[in-house]
Amino acid sequence: AQKITQTQPGMFVQEKEAVTLDCTYDTSDQSYGLFWYKQPSSGEMIFLIYQGSYDEQNATEGRYSLNFQKARKSANLVISASQLGDSAMYFCALVSMNRDDKIIFGKGTRLHILP
Amino acid sequence: DSGVTQTPKHLITATGQRVTLRCSPRSGDLSVYWYQQSLDQGLQFLIQYYNGEERAKGNILERFSAQQFPDLHSELNLSSLELGDSALYFCASSERTGRGEQFFGPGTRLTVL
Repeated sequence: AQKITQTQPGMFVQEKEAVTLDCTYDTSDQSYGLFWYKQPSSGEMIFLIYQGSYDEQNATEGRYSLNFQKARKSANLVISASQLGDSAMYFCALVSMNRDDKIIFGKGTRLHILP
Repeated sequence: DSGVTQTPKHLITATGQRVTLRCSPRSGDLSVYWYQQSLDQGLQFLIQYYNGEERAKGNILERFSAQQFPDLHSELNLSSLELGDSALYFCASSERTGRGEQFFGPGTRLTVL
């Protein structure tokens, strides 16, 4: 069975500091993908970053990077130089690439950036 | 703007009723996904279609059904509605199945009274 765990329900971080949001996963599949999404208070879901299980390098997208540690089954999101606009809910998600493409989301981490 | 459109934005209905939510994917995207987000269940994957065919099924109730039409738009039908079906329903699309970025629509807020 697949599982995604986000252990930090809420975080408070000072503006301009770096933030690490934790995500651990469990899957028996060899081929899978990991996503991070941001959901601001307005409700839309914004794609941030994607990492495939066979990607050799950690994914990066601007201020976002994914610290992928396959052996530890962790896929932490790192936000560098946090901004007030980063305050939002962040979801980690796992997709299987095998027979089906079932996707499961973690419960999310609510990030508050303090001025 | 993700390029994914969903209608209606808000829907208020009564228990026992049936509603249809509509989604138009981004131009060129063949995969459509439906999700339900509620306070108690979090974000749940419901179902995925790829080029008109059902590809994956998640936690979708038997009272719910979906389809993807030849023009690639998709509809999610919810019947015999219960109070617990009140939620935000998202549609997302992607170019390929299962990989890479999924683009989410703005969602349909369903309230069942």
